[in-house]
Amino acid sequence: AQSVTQLDSQVPVFEEAPVELRCNYSSSVSVYLFWYVQYPNQGLQLLLKYLSGSTLVKGINGFEAEFNKSQTSFHLRKPSVHISDTAEYFCAVAISGGYNKLIFGAGTRLAVHP
Amino acid sequence: EPEVTQTPSHQVTQMGQEVILRCVPISNHLYFYWYRQILGQKVEFLVSFYNNEISEKSEIFDDQFSVERPDGSNFTLKIRSTKLEDSAMYFCASVTGYNNEQFFGPGTRLTVL
Repeated sequence: AQSVTQLDSQVPVFEEAPVELRCNYSSSVSVYLFWYVQYPNQGLQLLLKYLSGSTLVKGINGFEAEFNKSQTSFHLRKPSVHISDTAEYFCAVAISGGYNKLIFGAGTRLAVHP
Repeated sequence: EPEVTQTPSHQVTQMGQEVILRCVPISNHLYFYWYRQILGQKVEFLVSFYNNEISEKSEIFDDQFSVERPDGSNFTLKIRSTKLEDSAMYFCASVTGYNNEQFFGPGTRLTVL
C-alpha cells in the first residue's frame, strides 16, 4: 500500500521569504507524485506533477518540486512567497502506469504574513 | 477553460435520508472519481469509475453508496441512508485519457443532522 507523510501541519512564513513544504511517501511500486493547492472554500488545484523524466518539476505560481527516489521525498519549494499563496497544500501519490486513485497526505497549511 | 462542476455547493439533510450529489466532469474525460474530506482531515478516495462501471472502491464505499453516470454528462454519488459521520466535503474529479492529471470540482459540503 502507498502512504504519504507531510511533515509539517502548519508553516508560517513572511512575505517574500523562501518556503519548503516537505513530503515523504512510501510505496513498493512506482508512483506518480503530485502537489495540489486548496484555497479557502475552493476545490483542489494541481500545482505540479512528476510522472517521469527530469526530477525537478516546475509548476504554476512559481512553485517547483524535486523528486528524490532514494529519500522517497517530493518537497515543494518557492523562492519568494506572496500573501496570496496562503492556502492548504496537499501532496499525493498514485500508482504509476494507469489512472489510479490519488492517496493524499494530511496537508500543510501555509500562512504567509506581511 | 473547461472545469468540473458540482451541485449543490451545500446540502443539509437529516440522518437516514437519501442524498444525491451531482457532478459534471470535463466533456472529453474518461475516468471519474469521488473523494471526500471530513473537516480537518485528509482527502480520502471513495470510488473510481470508467467505461460505465466501478474500477476501484475503498472500504468507505459500502452498500450505502452508489455511483451512476445516467447520461453522457452527469456523474452522481448517492448515499442511501445518511449517517452523521457522512458529513464531509465531497469532491468529484475527472481525468482525460492523455495524462494523469485529475481535475477536481469545487466540492459539495454535506451536513447530516
